[in-house]
Formats: sequence, structure tokens, C-alpha cells
Amino acid sequence: AQKITQTQPGMFVQEKEAVTLDCTYDTSDQSYGLFWYKQPSSGEMIFLIYQGSYDEQNATEGRYSLNFQKARKSANLVISASQLGDSAMYFCAMRAGNQFYFGTGTSLTVIP
Amino acid sequence: DTEVTQTPKHLVMGMTNKKSLKCEQHMGHRAMYWYKQKAKKPPELMFVYSYEKLSINESVPSRFSPECPNSSLLNLHLHALQPEDSALYLCASSQALGHRKETQYFGPGTRLLVL
Repeated sequence: AQKITQTQPGMFVQEKEAVTLDCTYDTSDQSYGLFWYKQPSSGEMIFLIYQGSYDEQNATEGRYSLNFQKARKSANLVISASQLGDSAMYFCAMRAGNQFYFGTGTSLTVIP
Repeated sequence: DTEVTQTPKHLVMGMTNKKSLKCEQHMGHRAMYWYKQKAKKPPELMFVYSYEKLSINESVPSRFSPECPNSSLLNLHLHALQPEDSALYLCASSQALGHRKETQYFGPGTRLLVL
């Protein structure tokens, strides 16, 4: 069975600190892609970062990095130097075959 | 440019109304998606179009009717909806269907309220 698990319903982080959002996945496919999206209260799903199953290096996009541990089937998102605008829902997602799976999301609140 | 546009942003409709949601992308993407999202839940896939043909229909009630007039446009026709259909409706597009690197780019969504 394919699935994505996010075990942190809510997280708090102090402004300017780093935070890690957890994501584990389960798939029998050898080729798959992992994604993180940010959804502010306005509703739009904003693509943040992508990691392919065959990529050896962890993906980075500005303040976002993806800590990919293939053997543990985890794809955690690290946000460095948190900003107030980072407060949002964060969804981990996986594409395997023709299917796209979302986790249940983590609500991140950045405290001034 | 990774922009997907959706209209309207907000929609209130009665259970006997007929309305349509529109989605447009100009990225040359050949796969387009409709999702339904309830508050504090992940998006639920409704339909997928690949090269303007309906590829996936996730057992959605017939009161929702998708249409893909061309490669840039995707419509969702609504008829005789129920209050439980109130949700955020998200449109997304990707270059093609099925490749593991295919990133879906989302529109801002339409917030639908059914009275």
C-alpha cells in the first residue's frame, strides 16, 4: 500500500530558528517522487521542494531543504531561519506511478 | 511562469443552482486535476485529465461534471449540490501524467458554499 504519514498535527517555532517537519512514506515502487507544499490560510497550495527516489543529494531550495533518508523512508522538510510568513499548513506528498498521495499535513506557527 | 488561475474565488449557490468553476494554465502542461479540500484536511483527488481526455475519475458523484475544452482550460460543472459539497476546490496542472518528477502546480482555489 502506498501512503504518506505526517505525525505532527501542529508545530511551533520561534522566529529565526530552524524547524523540521516530519514525513514518512511507504511504497513498493522503486521510482517515486517526494514533494512538499505550503498552504497559507488563503488556500493556495505552493510547491516548495522536490526529491526523486534516485537522487543521491538532498534537495535544497533557498531556506528549504529536504532531509531524504531512503532506508528509513523519510523525507523531512527543514526550514531554516523561520519567518512569520512561514506560518501555514505544510503537506508532504508522493508521486508513485499515476497516483499522487498527500499526507494529513502539519500546521506550523512561527512565534515572534 | 508557474501560474494556474481559477475563477471565481468564492461561490455561494443553492442546491438547485447550476454553476461552473474554471481553471486555466498556460504552461503547456498536458495533465490537469481537480481536487476537493475540506478544512484542515489534505486535498482529495476528484478527476484527472491527460491530453484532454478524462484519465482518472475517483468515484465522484454525477452532480460534479468535468470538462476539458482544450489543453489550457479545465471546467467543473456543478448541479444539484448538497451542503456537504461545500469546500475549497483546487485545480492543478503538471507536464504529463505519471512521471515521478511531475510536479503539480496549484491554482488559488475556489471556496464553494452550498446553502
